Amino acid sequence: DQQVKQNSPSLSVQEGRISILNCDYTNSMFDYFLWYKKYPAEGPTFLISISSIKDKNEDGRFTVFLNKSAKHLSLHIVPSQPGDSAVYFCAASDPGTYKYIFGTGTRLKVLA
Amino acid sequence: GAGVSQSPSNKVTEKGKDVELRCDPISGHTALYWYRQRLGQGLEFLIYFQGNSAPDKSGLPSDRFSAERTGESVSTLTIQRTQQEDSAVYLCASSLGLAGVGTQYFGPGTRLLVL
Repeated sequence: DQQVKQNSPSLSVQEGRISILNCDYTNSMFDYFLWYKKYPAEGPTFLISISSIKDKNEDGRFTVFLNKSAKHLSLHIVPSQPGDSAVYFCAASDPGTYKYIFGTGTRLKVLA
Repeated sequence: GAGVSQSPSNKVTEKGKDVELRCDPISGHTALYWYRQRLGQGLEFLIYFQGNSAPDKSGLPSDRFSAERTGESVSTLTIQRTQQEDSAVYLCASSLGLAGVGTQYFGPGTRLLVL
């Protein structure tokens, strides 16, 4: 059973517009969430994270929002750039097992 | 300092052979993780180490898979009697402090193809 879900396998956005990537989770005990970006033939690279005690964290063009009641987080990229085209994974830290649980990823394509 | 490195970067092997994959974490990182990503799928957790011990081996797909870590540094993931279904990218990550806390830093992965 998938505890972290990214229901959109792909997303296309025009350059300069906002990209919104969504992630849902099922375990209310998850206390730390991360977003990773992955280019082809490379390992995932850390992008931004948020603790469960916050509802928003911003870093430059990237903002992560956390809605604990809905068990939902989203990554906003604005303005989107062609270099943002990659697969984005959300991950949750399970304090009970010390594991990171990853979603299946969303492939973002930013069109020039 | 250097990031997480993995070797080999690519491995092609015949079904039934054993393979050994290596991970060099960031120096000083006590937690180390192995993941697998099959084509078109997400990251699948395999095993993690806290220091040299592996408290949770539940993610290993079968008893053909084993991993060890020595000196709180290098880790090796061994797959015995490889099967075609083992073909995937095997990713290693490390993090500072306790497992499950903080940011993981990933290596570039080892692409394994079992013919």
